[in-house]
Amino acid sequence: EDKVVQSPLSLVVHEGDTVTLNCSYEVTNFRSLLWYKQEKKAPTFLFMLTSSGIEKKSGRLSSILDKKELFSILNITATQTGDSAVYLCAVIADSGYSTLTFGKGTMLLVSP
Amino acid sequence: DTGVSQDPRHKITKRGQNVTFRCDPISEHNRLYWYRQTLGQGPEFLTYFQNEAQLEKSRLLSDRFSAERPKGSFSTLEIQRTEQGDSAMYLCASSFDLFRPDTGELFFGEGSRLTVL
Repeated sequence: EDKVVQSPLSLVVHEGDTVTLNCSYEVTNFRSLLWYKQEKKAPTFLFMLTSSGIEKKSGRLSSILDKKELFSILNITATQTGDSAVYLCAVIADSGYSTLTFGKGTMLLVSP
Repeated sequence: DTGVSQDPRHKITKRGQNVTFRCDPISEHNRLYWYRQTLGQGPEFLTYFQNEAQLEKSRLLSDRFSAERPKGSFSTLEIQRTEQGDSAMYLCASSFDLFRPDTGELFFGEGSRLTVL
């Protein structure tokens, strides 16, 4: 059975701090790893990672995948209160359903 | 609005009643998914359609749950004889083919929150 494990499960930081969120996975025939941000409602897409070692960036957010060690990290620099959300990691693999297997998420709270 | 839309947004029902949720995906997308999310958990896959064909169903999906996508456009998810354990957010999502790296992401609707009393 495919597994996606995120850590930490929750995190509180001060505005301006840098945070690193972790996602490890155990799947057969890995295809891609995706990061989503979920505020109160629908998850919104952040990144899709398919190749090892290639950093994807969007503003203050960046992410990288290590297919040898089977993990990904999501970095947020100079955090703002608007970054407070649940960050979800998900994996697409041939072994599971033809869809995303999600981790439980990391709840990030950025205090002013 | 050209995003994924779901209806109703909230539903409160008594145990034993039937409920139906509707999802209208992004029109160009051929894949449509249903997920269930409870507090503190990530979304759990329930089922998905490629056009009108239901191609996969999760082991989580009991026989009280049925989903349809009759014309390959909107979809309905029906839960019969609801139980308190069915209380959750039911998320619909759509996509092109997930295995195309350039179009692989899922686009989620805002969900239908079910409370079973």
